[in-house]
Amino acid sequence: SQQGEEDPQALSIQEGENATMNCSYKTSINNLQWYRQNSGRGLVHLILIRSNEREKHSGRLRVTLDTSKKSSSLLITASRAADTASYFCATPGGSNYKLTFGKGTLLTVNP
Amino acid sequence: DVKVTQSSRYLVKRTGEKVFLECVQDMDHENMFWYRQDPGLGLRLIYFSYDVKMKEKGDIPEGYSVSREKKERFSLILESASTNQTSMYLCASSFNGGTNIQYFGAGTRLSVL
Repeated sequence: SQQGEEDPQALSIQEGENATMNCSYKTSINNLQWYRQNSGRGLVHLILIRSNEREKHSGRLRVTLDTSKKSSSLLITASRAADTASYFCATPGGSNYKLTFGKGTLLTVNP
Repeated sequence: DVKVTQSSRYLVKRTGEKVFLECVQDMDHENMFWYRQDPGLGLRLIYFSYDVKMKEKGDIPEGYSVSREKKERFSLILESASTNQTSMYLCASSFNGGTNIQYFGAGTRLSVL
């Protein structure tokens, strides 16, 4: 199955620092999404990047996509304590409807 | 804003009980999904539905069934709850066509004792 795998599994930084998370996947995709999950809550969609885009920005988020390496990265700049959450990448799951999620990166931002 | 509402945040049931988890979305989305989330295993798709009365098995359908009688409502049924079904259950919905962005409910943490 087309599954994204995030790296690292866990990341701990100080407030104000940048956080970078990576996602690798196995087969060709037409888009890749990133989601955030606060502890004990549902996932929230952050950003989608299409296969013909190399980079996309949304506020303090920057996502890159390298289709030749089958990888994506999510950069959060000037992190805040409120950014503490798990971050998941998601790729199309083999049908028009499904997504396959990675296991996530747990980001802890210390005040 | 899209709203996906799960009927319970926390649920405690006994082994062998029949359990209903309800999910309602207010954006007229065609697709609805049920996932379970366990530490170290990530999100795993149980069932999904792409239209009223239509359903397809996901990766781990055993022990579960679903019902979609109305477009806005998707129910997950545990016919006879077992302790290994203790988990976080997440419902999601998406618009058919385009980007497949999914909108999630807040989750139901189910404990089966």
